[in-house]
Amino acid sequence: EADIYQTPRYLVIGTGKKITLECSQTMGHDKMYWYQQDPGMELHLIHYSYGVNSTEKGDLSSESTVSRIRTEHFPLTLESARPSHTSQYLCASSDAYGYTFGSGTRLTVV
Amino acid sequence: GDSVTQMEGPVTLSEEAFLTINCTYTATGYPSLFWYVQYPGEGLQLLLKATKADDKGSNKGFEATYRKETTSFHLEKGSVQVSDSAVYFCAATSGTYKYIFGTGTRLKVLA
Repeated sequence: EADIYQTPRYLVIGTGKKITLECSQTMGHDKMYWYQQDPGMELHLIHYSYGVNSTEKGDLSSESTVSRIRTEHFPLTLESARPSHTSQYLCASSDAYGYTFGSGTRLTVV
Repeated sequence: GDSVTQMEGPVTLSEEAFLTINCTYTATGYPSLFWYVQYPGEGLQLLLKATKADDKGSNKGFEATYRKETTSFHLEKGSVQVSDSAVYFCAATSGTYKYIFGTGTRLKVLA
């Protein structure tokens, strides 16, 4: 079954640690996205990709980085986590029919 | 710039009540319009969509009609259930790959 997978679902980590949030999709979509969702529910686009070797920053400034070496894989990395990075992170991919979202990673930095 | 505005929540209804969640958009050209739903602890799921004026999207008893004259795409359901409790997002895209999402409306349905 075609889908989009995010791991881990929940992560609690100490300040200063490096972390990578994984996102993979099996649908062959070229376009992929990372959103940060604040407690008030609003979605903020932080990174997107048109395809392999393409990455762009989104509307909300973020200290994270992304890579797109393979079509199916779009990981997000924080080099040094801070409490201000505590949030829900949603990965998505899209085609002409619309967006498909992963279940999200809830990150807590202590 | 393009934008999507939806009514603020939370919206609290009794089971079997009628639901309306308002959504209006500002966009160049003729955007495609969407409603997504997010259940607790999950990502967003596509609920319905409409791609041109006067189209009606429908799914699971929910409906929304693309109204070009009022630039609106209001979500309606005739009889809500407790299981409809979730956050609902209106979204638009004008042919680019980036969607514009509204801020989300939380719906709580009481038994």
